[in-house]
Amino acid sequence: DAKTTQPTSMDCAEGRAANLPCNHSTISGNEYVYWYRQIHSQGPQYIIHGLKNNETNEMASLIITEDRKSSTLILPHATLRDTAVYYCIVRPLGGSQGNLIFGKGTKLSVKP
Amino acid sequence: NAGVMQNPRHLVRRRGQEARLRCSPMKGHSHVYWYRQLPEEGLKFMVYLQKENIIDESGMPKERFSAEFPKEGPSILRIQQVVRGDSAAYFCASSPLAPSSYNEQFFGPGTRLTVL
Repeated sequence: DAKTTQPTSMDCAEGRAANLPCNHSTISGNEYVYWYRQIHSQGPQYIIHGLKNNETNEMASLIITEDRKSSTLILPHATLRDTAVYYCIVRPLGGSQGNLIFGKGTKLSVKP
Repeated sequence: NAGVMQNPRHLVRRRGQEARLRCSPMKGHSHVYWYRQLPEEGLKFMVYLQKENIIDESGMPKERFSAEFPKEGPSILRIQQVVRGDSAAYFCASSPLAPSSYNEQFFGPGTRLTVL
């Protein structure tokens, strides 16, 4: 089972920031937080990952709380093409476990 | 550098037939993962393979399903005697390094299997 909980759906106005929350209260010290998204009918796409520091790349920013029990993915200027299901995943670094455990994710709808 | 390739993109089979799904990982990637996505559901892990080895098949159904990743050629997910419940999107992902190192998984476009 997924170790994360996310809201089922969210709306965002085009051009505004989209803030997608994720709770991972049982996260372990060696587990990273990953975000993927799946645009309708396509394969999932990696967005960003982090351990405990905030991270930023060309797609998004990831804010992880100091206790690491929750995080927020920020799309600074959402476009219609950002409409997708966003998955927050915790995964350990180390060991042989290779699979990603996807929950139901958050369906983000960006509206004009 | 081409991404992960899967074929066919759409596959229709009648109950009892065999389905073969192919996945060519990104160049230089030797780790392949298969996931299944049922309608309106999230992706579920099936199997993780390296060249010529199955590393983790904890998500594979015990019967009718098998996977391989030969030394040469694509990875194959094989479903024998398909049933309607096998209808789903099957995604393949690849990564360059072992999971013990940080690395993201790159996903292919998926194969949509429909069982009539």
